[in-house]
Amino acid sequence: SQTIHQWPATLVQPVGSPLSLECTVEGTSNPNLYWYRQAAGRGLQLLFYSVGIGQISSEVPQNLSASRPQDRQFILSSKKLLLSDSGFYLCAWRPTGGTEAFFGQGTRLTVV
Amino acid sequence: SQQGEEDPQALSIQEGENATMNCSYKTSINNLQWYRQNSGRGLVHLILIRSNEREKHSGRLRVTLDTSKKSSSLLITASRAADTASYFCATGASRNSGYALNFGKGTSLLVTP
Repeated sequence: SQTIHQWPATLVQPVGSPLSLECTVEGTSNPNLYWYRQAAGRGLQLLFYSVGIGQISSEVPQNLSASRPQDRQFILSSKKLLLSDSGFYLCAWRPTGGTEAFFGQGTRLTVV
Repeated sequence: SQQGEEDPQALSIQEGENATMNCSYKTSINNLQWYRQNSGRGLVHLILIRSNEREKHSGRLRVTLDTSKKSSSLLITASRAADTASYFCATGASRNSGYALNFGKGTSLLVTP
């Protein structure tokens, strides 16, 4: 069966520090991968998605970047965090040609 | 961009009552999905309705879709305290390099015993 792992669950980082959130999927190949951000009490904002290794599409201009170094690995990064980067980050995958998305448990990022 | 918009933003009911949440969207769709999110957790898929369907049932869930009005509703019958969560509708959008799900802002449902 397929599983998605996202870590860490919580993270407190100072302004100006770097960020690296990792997401891996098991039990499937060539998944579509997504990073979403959810501000407190708000909906999900799509940040990045990827249809294959090295293929990254950015939805909104921001202080973040994403990379997909392996088929089932999706990384969200920042060189210098801003206070506004605080939020709940969710990784998700969807099988190619499928409709349903499967989410990780999320990372609560607080930038102080 | 956020395609779907749910209303109400928040809904408080008592156990046993029915909960109805609505979703409106802007562009043509192939399908519409509903997800549930427990506080501080990831989203879980509940049900999908295709654009050629008008109504779909799954257990205590009933989803309707009106493509002429670009709207959908999620009905949870005989609600339980465990139904307390946020509920989101999602529509798919094809991009030049892929397919992405856009979510609304969600309806926060509180079911009190």
